[in-house]
Amino acid sequence: AQTVTQSQPEMSVQEAETVTLSCTYDTSESNYYLFWYKQPPSRQMILVIRQEAYKQQNATENRFSVNFQKAAKSFSLKISDSQLGDTAMYFCAFNRGSTLGRLYFGRGTQLTVWP
Amino acid sequence: GAVVSQHPSRVICKSGTSVKIECRSLDFQATTMFWYRQFPKQSLMLMATSNEGSKATYEQGVEKDKFLINHASLTLSTLTVTSAHPEDSSFYICSARQNERQGVNEKLFFGSGTQLSVL
Repeated sequence: AQTVTQSQPEMSVQEAETVTLSCTYDTSESNYYLFWYKQPPSRQMILVIRQEAYKQQNATENRFSVNFQKAAKSFSLKISDSQLGDTAMYFCAFNRGSTLGRLYFGRGTQLTVWP
Repeated sequence: GAVVSQHPSRVICKSGTSVKIECRSLDFQATTMFWYRQFPKQSLMLMATSNEGSKATYEQGVEKDKFLINHASLTLSTLTVTSAHPEDSSFYICSARQNERQGVNEKLFFGSGTQLSVL
């Protein structure tokens, strides 16, 4: 079974500052995907960033970047220049294998960005 | 970008009735869709994988007879909560996999979810 652990139930950051959300996972697989999803109050799941396990280079998407440590099974999300619109629940998710679809989510981290 | 439509967005029903939720891929074919359940302030839990033209694959602990899944076309999967009870009240979300095409990576797209409240 795959488990995804997000140890920070809540985080807060001031606007324009940087915040890092933690995620660890447990798997015996060598090939997989990792994701960070954002869920605002509308509850729509929004993809923030995705990382293929075979890629050594950390994924980046504008202000969002990850620190993927495969040996340590760690996948943290860094949000730079935080904006008020970043306030949301953030979920780390694991996808086993190279075929997308069956995602296993962590418990989530509620991020609040303060003005 | 690709869109997945989920209906209804909210439904209230009486205990013992059945409720059908639709998940539709609007501009791509999705041979595989996925159904999740989310309790308040909790994570998404994968319930089942919906396969076009074949039986759904359920995750351990999910009752097949309670949660009926039908994937009769390349763009539509339905989840029917049969004989609903208050404990079935939850937020249900679907996702669809956009199949890989030449030069295009596979992607997942989520519906907007359905809040089910069983009285």
